Amino acid sequence: SYVLTQPPSVSVAPGETASITCAGDNFGTKNAHWYQQKPGQAPVLVIYYDNDRPSGIPERFSGSNSGKAATLIIIRVEAGDEADYYCQVWDAASNRVVFGGGTKLTVL
Amino acid sequence: EVQLEESGGGLFQPGGFVRLSCVGSGFIFSRYWMSWVRQAPGKGLEWVANIKQDGSDSYYEDSVKGRFTISRDNAKDSVFLQIRSLRAEDTAVYYCARAGFYYDYGAHYYSSWGPGTRVTVSS
Repeated sequence: SYVLTQPPSVSVAPGETASITCAGDNFGTKNAHWYQQKPGQAPVLVIYYDNDRPSGIPERFSGSNSGKAATLIIIRVEAGDEADYYCQVWDAASNRVVFGGGTKLTVL
Repeated sequence: EVQLEESGGGLFQPGGFVRLSCVGSGFIFSRYWMSWVRQAPGKGLEWVANIKQDGSDSYYEDSVKGRFTISRDNAKDSVFLQIRSLRAEDTAVYYCARAGFYYDYGAHYYSSWGPGTRVTVSS
């Protein structure tokens, strides 16, 4: 089965830039989607199709896909950005959804 | 406003059965692929199952195939997840999620999630 690998944790000071990577085989053939999940809450979509932002998500959130990995980038990090972040892809061949293991973002 | 609300969770015995429900509102339910995603305590998100708009096709994560059944009733704007032969490892919060767009094939990604319903399997 398809596996997505994320770093377990990323730490950043307020005002700095956080980058969270998501790697998988043949990533160039897939689109990455990203979710933010705060403790006790449901996930919230923050980036879809590699770099599109849903309405209501701050412009500080962006994404990229190099073909080997996807990256979620948060500039000017705020305390309220502290959360778990999950990447996700859809495998068209099997019509299955895969999530990465999640990355805990800590704002120092 | 799109809303999803799950129900049916609780404490269940190993080997038992549970039927989870999710009601959607604020959108045309019958246009969207729907899914269930679960999260075990302290763990990450795990996709469980997808179902097509008209209920004619469904897909499952390999580890749950044969024990889990996803279904829907568009007249009631509802999607369901039946789990039989419950195991301790089924203990999780179960989320209902809606595809981001009304795709012909597959959910692709999820723009809306319910608050989740907790299933605990223990004797």
